[in-house]
Amino acid sequence: DAGVTQSPTHLIKTRGQQVTLRCSPKSGHDTVSWYQQALGQGPQFIFQYYEEEERQRGNFPDRFSGHQFPNYSSELNVNALLLGDSALYLCASSLLRGKGETQYFGPGTRLLVL
Amino acid sequence: GQQVMQIPQYQHVQEGEDFTTYCNSSTTLSNIQWYKQRPGGHPVFLIQLVKSGEVKKQKRLTFQFGEAKKNSSLHITATQTTDVGTYFCAGTGGGNKLTFGTGTQLKVEL
Repeated sequence: DAGVTQSPTHLIKTRGQQVTLRCSPKSGHDTVSWYQQALGQGPQFIFQYYEEEERQRGNFPDRFSGHQFPNYSSELNVNALLLGDSALYLCASSLLRGKGETQYFGPGTRLLVL
Repeated sequence: GQQVMQIPQYQHVQEGEDFTTYCNSSTTLSNIQWYKQRPGGHPVFLIQLVKSGEVKKQKRLTFQFGEAKKNSSLHITATQTTDVGTYFCAGTGGGNKLTFGTGTQLKVEL
């Protein structure tokens, strides 16, 4: 039973470029949430996808967008990269049962913007 | 918006000493979850508390949810070097958005 997987593990981009990160949820899970974790800080909620729709969004600009596919996998897209976008991007999957279901995190993608 | 603070930010202990981290939310929480993140790793789910005043134990770890559902604590008895990492609380005030605390970094020295 595979856990949450993310690709790529590491990525280096330059300012202004665009990036796509990918996530496959844990088997049996239907909900994917994305988080940004800057160095030395706690994860910050970006958005959550369920049934291929964005269900909830954190305080992130429109440069951050996402998608969920019929197989529940998800992508996070960031346009016009800024230096401040350098962070660990975490994907978490869960089974939508209502409020506050347990979320299982993937290993993350470390993005460095130069 | 909802804010979740943790104290202390850092804690150094000698192996065998106890450790406690405290979590406080600016708003009432539906539930609280605790995660552990090892250096270079990702958050790993430890436990979820839902009921007011709830106390749960996992071996040397004791978790407590406050009566007002706005605070929580994690206590580790007789720390070991394997306990090293950053401990995060995370709560939901409604819906499915998880708000993480600021974290407490634990270092255990022999």
